[in-house]
Amino acid sequence: QSALTQPASVSGSPGQSITISCTGTSNDVGGYNYVSWYQQHPGNAPKLMIYDVSNRPSGISHRFSGAKSGNTASLTISGLQAEDEADYYCSSYTSGSSLVVFGGGTKLTVL
Amino acid sequence: EVQLVESGGGLIQPGGSLRLSCAASGFTVSSNYMSWVRQAPGKGLEWVSVIYSSGATYYADSVKGRFAISRDNSKNTLYLQMNSLRAEDTAVYYCARGRVGGTTHFDYWGQGTLVTVSS
Repeated sequence: QSALTQPASVSGSPGQSITISCTGTSNDVGGYNYVSWYQQHPGNAPKLMIYDVSNRPSGISHRFSGAKSGNTASLTISGLQAEDEADYYCSSYTSGSSLVVFGGGTKLTVL
Repeated sequence: EVQLVESGGGLIQPGGSLRLSCAASGFTVSSNYMSWVRQAPGKGLEWVSVIYSSGATYYADSVKGRFAISRDNSKNTLYLQMNSLRAEDTAVYYCARGRVGGTTHFDYWGQGTLVTVSS
């Protein structure tokens, strides 16, 4: 069981927007603005998409955005494209004994 | 260009030991926070360990006392010494650059090396 809870799957049609949620506790997501999101295509390493809740690294499309409310963070992808089909993982710093926690991952299907 | 290349994975019997390496280029390992993150087959990501630029080290509860993270500054290489391996340690192990504590995220990842613990 992962420390952060994500939906197992989401789907959307090209051009649409989707949102992936990531729920934790006050010890991680709710207590720190250190939530990050990673995209992983099959057989590839994860790729950083969002850090510190809502910041995009250089080179990441503006179609990707992040937010947080209370103990739940979210990743929104607008203008869905076929290449967005991948697994997405959220992560947060935690005050627990293991410093970093990940969500279980969400499989995004572009219909 | 930043590059991370892991090596050292393979098939190992339960109770055995293995040392993973992660050769870095394009930046200095000792000036950065470096982590190991693993992914069991078909499963999600799990943070394993971090070494701070100061040399301080931290571990996930699941590997504490069995794994040790280190670096060789002269070789610009990160290591993970894994002892008393268990079947549940079977995973692809990624090295990743990034801070832990304060802003926490990993901006560069290697392609991973597969460790299989089985008799």
